[in-house]
Amino acid sequence: KAGVTQTPRYLIKTRGQQVTLSCSPISGHRSVSWYQQTPGQGLQFLFEYFSETQRNKGNFPGRFSGRQFSNSRSEMNVSTLELGDSALYLCASSYTGQGRTEQFFGPGTRLTVL
Amino acid sequence: QKEVEQNSGPLSVPEGAIASLNCTYSDRVSQSFFWYRQYSGKSPELIMSIYSNGDKEDGRFTAQLNKASQYVSLLIRDSQPSDSATYLCAVTPRGDKLIFGTGTRLQVFP
Repeated sequence: KAGVTQTPRYLIKTRGQQVTLSCSPISGHRSVSWYQQTPGQGLQFLFEYFSETQRNKGNFPGRFSGRQFSNSRSEMNVSTLELGDSALYLCASSYTGQGRTEQFFGPGTRLTVL
Repeated sequence: QKEVEQNSGPLSVPEGAIASLNCTYSDRVSQSFFWYRQYSGKSPELIMSIYSNGDKEDGRFTAQLNKASQYVSLLIRDSQPSDSATYLCAVTPRGDKLIFGTGTRLQVFP
């Protein structure tokens, strides 16, 4: 099975711009979660989507949004970029079996805001 | 108090030794516990999951869970230089939202 794919792998934007990141989960996985990783804050949960519905949300401002399509692919959008948004954005694809869920990460998108 | 706490390290062990990584969590309702390995510049890779008290072994890795003490550990036997990475402990207190510790950097020297 192919793993989680994320595009683009690298992005450079300037303050005030917006950005859209894409994630394709492992085939058959219906849940997609997004995380932000920075040296100072570590890995922080952004949101989770399941069957096109946001099921869980972290403590990030409304500038961070996401959606999921019927084929389980997901996008996240960050509007009005700030310098502090520079981070590695990770998408995780989830499989639930026997009531237990495991999450597998994609390679990430490294966003630099200048 | 942080939800998931780990010693940031670095933890330095000689090749062939046992590396012991520890993690504590604050939310007693947590049901699922994971260890991820992250090499520099790469994304986290799931190496162990554990759901019930006791030990779980997979190759050179052993995860240990003690829910009463709210403590999870990872033992790496016969450590190799290729095990040098940051090890992230993660728990799911509610739903499928993973809460991560800040990670422990492991260095295995020849």
